Amino acid sequence: GEDVEQSLFLSVREGDSSVINCTYTDSSSTYLYWYKQEPGAGLQLLTYIFSNMDMKQDQRLTVLLNKKDKHLSLRIADTQTGDSAIYFCAEAPANRDDKIIFGKGTRLHILP
Amino acid sequence: EAQVTQNPRYLITVTGKKLTVTCSQNMNHEYMSWYRQDPGLGLRQIYYSMNVEVTDKGDVPEGYKVSRKEKRNFPLILESPSPNQTSLYFCASRDSGLYNEQFFGPGTRLTVL
Repeated sequence: GEDVEQSLFLSVREGDSSVINCTYTDSSSTYLYWYKQEPGAGLQLLTYIFSNMDMKQDQRLTVLLNKKDKHLSLRIADTQTGDSAIYFCAEAPANRDDKIIFGKGTRLHILP
Repeated sequence: EAQVTQNPRYLITVTGKKLTVTCSQNMNHEYMSWYRQDPGLGLRQIYYSMNVEVTDKGDVPEGYKVSRKEKRNFPLILESPSPNQTSLYFCASRDSGLYNEQFFGPGTRLTVL
């Protein structure tokens, strides 16, 4: 079946690293995505990783992909108050080009 | 500016009073979708469209209708709204292809009394 799982909440102190984890089920997904939803706004693509990559780094963001375990993670270094948002993991199965499957979202709360 | 627009942004209505939420995109995208977002349930797809005059049900289509007469517009119609349709609604569009970033509208917060 299709399912993307992620924990619902994460609290991190300002300046620490945040790690948001996600598991997915469809190994045919060519791309895996992280979307960010700030309060009162729609989702925006934060970063993505191609399925033949293990890691992608983009400034403070690091995406790790373990295809064997179908595990995706997003690490945010030096977490800041502006990182407070809901983060959605998403996959796009190759045989279902009509559908992008989202996780339920992880709400990241920044502690002072 | 490339964007997805939705109107209205906020709506309070009563049970049974038909309403339409409009969605428009200016990126010439083929795919458009409607989602609802509810606490603890994440995003659930209501309907999607792969092109003009091509629409299909998503995961939670009951109580909703859509149409795709033009490529840029994809309105969501609630013929007889009920309180369980109180939610935050998002329209999204994307191009076809393997890399398919979704562009989301700003959301419509609907309350049905």
